[in-house]
Amino acid sequence: DQQVKQNSPSLSVQEGRISILNCDYTNSMFDYFLWYKKYPAEGPTFLISISSIKDKNEDGRFTVFLNKSAKHLSLHIVPSQPGDSAVYFCAASDGNQFYFGTGTSLTVIP
Amino acid sequence: DVKVTQSSRYLVKRTGEKVFLECVQDMDHENMFWYRQDPGLGLRLIYFSYDVKMKEKGDIPEGYSVSREKKERFSLILESASTNQTSMYLCASSLLDSGTGTEKLFFGSGTQLSVL
Repeated sequence: DQQVKQNSPSLSVQEGRISILNCDYTNSMFDYFLWYKKYPAEGPTFLISISSIKDKNEDGRFTVFLNKSAKHLSLHIVPSQPGDSAVYFCAASDGNQFYFGTGTSLTVIP
Repeated sequence: DVKVTQSSRYLVKRTGEKVFLECVQDMDHENMFWYRQDPGLGLRLIYFSYDVKMKEKGDIPEGYSVSREKKERFSLILESASTNQTSMYLCASSLLDSGTGTEKLFFGSGTQLSVL
């Protein structure tokens, strides 16, 4: 049973525009959320995180928004760059384990 | 920088072989994890370890075992490889930040295992 879901397997965006990647979760015990970025033939790398006590966290071009009532989080990338093309995984933690979504493949078109 | 090193990038094995995947981290992290990544399924946890000689089953432990004899090394063992174990295997380590109470995973580059 997938507790973390990324319903869009792929997304294409023009360079310079905003990319919005979405993630939904079912377990209300999750209190910490992370986004990872993965290039082909490499391991995932940490991008940004947010605690459940916040609803927004920014780091440069990357912003994560958390809507606890909807059990939804999103990653905004502004402006999108060709080097952002990768697979993005959403993850959630209940303090014991990390649970990952199935990933969204982002393509930024020059 | 945290470094998590997986011994092989690519491996090809035959059905029934015993397979060892090795992982070493250099940051004195307590926690280590083995995941597999498959298209459309994301990352699924196989086993994890919070201390030397300690192991816990993840979501899909069947067909796998692990060994953690030293803090820095966490090995994944496929006792008798099968074709459905063809996958990308990812090792990770983590450390709890006692100040913020948060933890994040640091991944190795992965091992693409093909079982023929």
